[in-house]
Amino acid sequence: EVQLVESGGGLVQPGRSLKLSCAASGFTFSDYNMAWVRQAPTKGLEWVASISYGGSNTHYGDSVKGRFTISRDNAKSTLYLQMDSLRSEDTATYYCARHWITPSLYFDYWGQGVMVTVSS
Amino acid sequence: DIQMTQSPSSLPASLGERVTISCRASQGISNNLNWYQQKPDGTIKPLIYYTSNLQSGVPSRFSGSGSGTDYSLTISSLEPEDFAMYYCQQDASFPLTFGSGTKLEIK
Repeated sequence: EVQLVESGGGLVQPGRSLKLSCAASGFTFSDYNMAWVRQAPTKGLEWVASISYGGSNTHYGDSVKGRFTISRDNAKSTLYLQMDSLRSEDTATYYCARHWITPSLYFDYWGQGVMVTVSS
Repeated sequence: DIQMTQSPSSLPASLGERVTISCRASQGISNNLNWYQQKPDGTIKPLIYYTSNLQSGVPSRFSGSGSGTDYSLTISSLEPEDFAMYYCQQDASFPLTFGSGTKLEIK
């Protein structure tokens, strides 16, 4: 059974950093592109970033480009999101998601999400 | 960037009713359109990929159609568990974008 379990969320002050993790199991992690999608309170879904299965290619949404870094450790079957220079508008639930087989960018599995609150 | 316009934002409906949710892209996306369901507890479930292909395990009362810039999700006969939020998403190109969502609620 495919499982994606996010961790690392919490309350952080504006301008500070936070690193999210997503532990994957039930599939060969290194075969799949992965992504982060977020949802601000009472808002819709917003794609944040994607990374290729080997980690060499990354893409970011405009709202996080230059501040967030997506990475992965295939040996640990773990996806990361390093979030720097956090702003109040980054407050959201962050979901880890698996992209379907390459080259599709459809999200075929999602985690339960982890909450990040940026506030002083 | 490709903008996704989803309608309606709210859809009151009754059990057993047939409903349709629409999604329009700001440019052609060559059927690269997917649908997701989100329950109140935040759980997100993939429903349909590449316009009309049902994700494994999704009931056959769900269907998708469309082409070019216009796409739709149809539920043929509403069941209690179908009342939720629905989002479309284009994966034709980065940045990936979602529609603003449709809340399917009990009339």
